[in-house]
Parts: sequence; structure tokens; C-alpha cells
Amino acid sequence: DTAVSQTPKYLVTQMGNDKSIKCEQNLGHDTMYWYKQDSKKFLKIMFSYNNKELIINETVPNRFSPKSPDKAHLNLHINSLELGDSAVYFCASSQDWGARVLTFGAGSRLTVL
Amino acid sequence: GENVEQHPSTLSVQEGDSAVIKCTYSDSASNYFPWYKQELGKRPQLIIDIRSNVGEKKDQRIAVTLNKTAKHFSLHITETQPEDSAVYFCAATSGYSTLTFGKGTMLLVSP
Repeated sequence: DTAVSQTPKYLVTQMGNDKSIKCEQNLGHDTMYWYKQDSKKFLKIMFSYNNKELIINETVPNRFSPKSPDKAHLNLHINSLELGDSAVYFCASSQDWGARVLTFGAGSRLTVL
Repeated sequence: GENVEQHPSTLSVQEGDSAVIKCTYSDSASNYFPWYKQELGKRPQLIIDIRSNVGEKKDQRIAVTLNKTAKHFSLHITETQPEDSAVYFCAATSGYSTLTFGKGTMLLVSP
């Protein structure tokens, strides 16, 4: 039973389109995150939600909009996709905001053509 | 905020050799230092961590050392094997903010 699952695993789309990535965790964790990993492998935090509330919103273009319908789900919607959005997006969760151990999903590879 | 520097960015060793990856951090309030391993095409996974009240921690072939005064910590892998080939990330946090990751070290172990 996968602890943190993301869909889709691969996404290929044209510039200007809108796309969504979904994430679900069955660990009972309170806190969820979105990370972006670019071609140089750098893991950059984008957003963090604790019990459905947004607590971290890094300097990410407002074309990216996260949504957490409940504490087990954190989705990422991206409008007007650009070439530079091509990356692997990782969802992660931790027991609570003060917890330090992250459990990552398998990643969603987004390619914008 | 916290800033974590990681070196080297790539490291090539022969099977059986030791590998050392070093990280420095800027926030003296940081007290938790994990290491994540990411194999090609896979997710990052925690392999070892250390808290600021200890100077060294070992788990089989991997060990982590921490020097709080100098604000640096290191990952040591002994008797490297081809399956150790991966990208390794260090990270730091005070617990009041999310983890700050280093930029990663690509370790290649040649048979």
C-alpha cells in the first residue's frame, strides 16, 4: 500500500495549457508539501500545508495554485504552462509541522513542449 | 533563513573505496540534520539523520558526523558498492521551519 501516491507519473503537454497533479497520503500525517526538482536535481520547496491550511508559500509564480481539500490530499494546479515549468514535482508528507522526517511520493515528471 | 551548502556536486569512486560528502549550514538554531538518497528515477528516501545533541551516528556502512561549532556535518560511506550510486542530499532544520536541502551530490561507484 503506497504511503504517498501522486498522479499522473508522467505528463507531457503544450505551452499555455493548464494541468493538475494530485497527491494523496495514507499515513495519517498532518503536513504535506510540494517540491520542484529541476534538471540539476535541486529540491526546492514550493508549498506546505498543515491540516489543510497553507503555511509555506515560497516565491512561486501565481500560475501555481495548491489546494488541500482535506489533510490527506494536496493537489497542484498549474495555469498557462511555460517551458521552464518542466521538472519533476514531488509531493511529500510529515507527521506534523514540527516533525522532521519527510516521506516522498514517486514524483510526477512534467514536460512542457 | 537557513542556507545549506553541499560539496562536492559529483563524486566518483572505485568499488570498495570510501566516500565523504560535506555540508555546511548557516542557522545556529538548526538541530536536525538528515541525509536523503535518491536513486535514478526514484524518490528521495531518508537514510540516516543526526540531532544536535550527538556528534556521530553510524548505521552499518554509513555514518554521519556533526560539528556544531563549525556548523558542518558529513556523510561517510565505507566499502562503497555499485548500488550506492545515487544523488545524496543533506538538509537542516531548527524544527520551526521546513527542511532546507543542499543541492545534492551525485555519487558514482564504479565496479
